[in-house]
Amino acid sequence: GAVVSQHPSRVICKSGTSVKIECRSLDFQATTMFWYRQFPKKSLMLMATSNEGSKATYEQGVEKDKFLINHASLTLSTLTVTSAHPEDSSFYICSVRGGGNEQFFGPGTRLTVL
Amino acid sequence: AQSVAQPEDQVNVAEGNPLTVKCTYSVSGNPYLFWYVQYPNRGLQFLLKYITGDNLVKGSYGFEAEFNKSQTSFHLKKPSALVSDSALYFCAVRANQAGTALIFGKGTTLSVSS
Repeated sequence: GAVVSQHPSRVICKSGTSVKIECRSLDFQATTMFWYRQFPKKSLMLMATSNEGSKATYEQGVEKDKFLINHASLTLSTLTVTSAHPEDSSFYICSVRGGGNEQFFGPGTRLTVL
Repeated sequence: AQSVAQPEDQVNVAEGNPLTVKCTYSVSGNPYLFWYVQYPNRGLQFLLKYITGDNLVKGSYGFEAEFNKSQTSFHLKKPSALVSDSALYFCAVRANQAGTALIFGKGTTLSVSS
């Protein structure tokens, strides 16, 4: 299966700053990547579908101006949380669609906004 | 719209006993069904999937799941639980459509006591 990495694994930032999270597909060219958000002991909520070379498709209720997604290459997608606030603190997980209908997940990024 | 229900927040079993984690789904057309496991502060690990074929699917770590179309269920099972199986388990579904993402259930915490 595809190997997916995320960077950073943990980040702490001040309220009002922006944070960029990188998702890399290390051994698979991913035309489609997905970004999820997970609250403590809760399910994964799909935020957006990221397509290489085009605009991301956001799920209902997700602010696209706040959560900027860029999928500039077949191996890299980035999620930028702009003007972060404490309620944006969460575990963000990216995922790559593999060739066999599976999705492979990154290890996640823990964002804490003070 | 597709959805997944995991009716139990927590399942408690004694080591050596069989375990079942329940999942029901709703999706248009034929479903793609998955089970993932998550350990604390970690990403998701793939356990097994049903795409087509035999209704009984065998996966990693001795887990298996049975696809029941009439009951729209995909319960996860293991004949003999281990303490190390204690984790958060997610059932997920995807419609048989290109570009769609996995939609997750809320998760079930499995606790195996020694």
